[in-house]
Amino acid sequence: KAGVTQTPRYLIKTRGQQVTLSCSPISGHRSVSWYQQTPGQGLQFLFEYFSETQRNKGNFPGRFSGRQFSNSRSEMNVSTLELGDSALYLCASSLDFDTQYFGPGTRLTVL
Amino acid sequence: ELKVEQNPLFLSMQEGKNYTIYCNYSTTSDRLYWYRQDPGKSLESLFVLLSNGAVKQEGRLMASLDTKARLSTLHITAAVHDLSATYFCAVDISSGSARQLTFGSGTQLTVLP
Repeated sequence: KAGVTQTPRYLIKTRGQQVTLSCSPISGHRSVSWYQQTPGQGLQFLFEYFSETQRNKGNFPGRFSGRQFSNSRSEMNVSTLELGDSALYLCASSLDFDTQYFGPGTRLTVL
Repeated sequence: ELKVEQNPLFLSMQEGKNYTIYCNYSTTSDRLYWYRQDPGKSLESLFVLLSNGAVKQEGRLMASLDTKARLSTLHITAAVHDLSATYFCAVDISSGSARQLTFGSGTQLTVLP
């Protein structure tokens, strides 16, 4: 069974640009969550989608947004990038309220 | 706001020794996860603990959950180098309509020969 996939794996952007990250969940999983991981703040919850609906959102500014498609694939978007947005962005999928399985992550560097 | 505290944050141990990582959390939850992360890699699910008194074991790792004390432990028995990684606990505070895990800061484990 294929795991969670994320694209791209690495990304370099400059301040002020925007970026879109993609996540394909494990087949059959309808819940997709996004996390930001940084050395200073650790793993922080961004948002969670289930059946194309955002069920929960973490404490991040409105520059961070996401969506989920009918095939459960999800994208997150960050607009007006700041240096502090440099991080590893992790996507996790689950059937519903059960174990989350994480993808390999997208390493975003903002210059 | 839920706080999840892991200790120690850094742990160096000799091969063959035993040690315990602690995960304390500040609100009611009866669902807790342990994950492992190798450098530059993603998170790998180790255990899910679903009720008070739950105990799970896999190889040299054993996890337990005490919901009354709001404490989970990850015990390492006879450590080997392959266990070197960062270990995270994650407390599940999902409600009926919202899914959310809150992670601890992680414990960076180094097993020395």
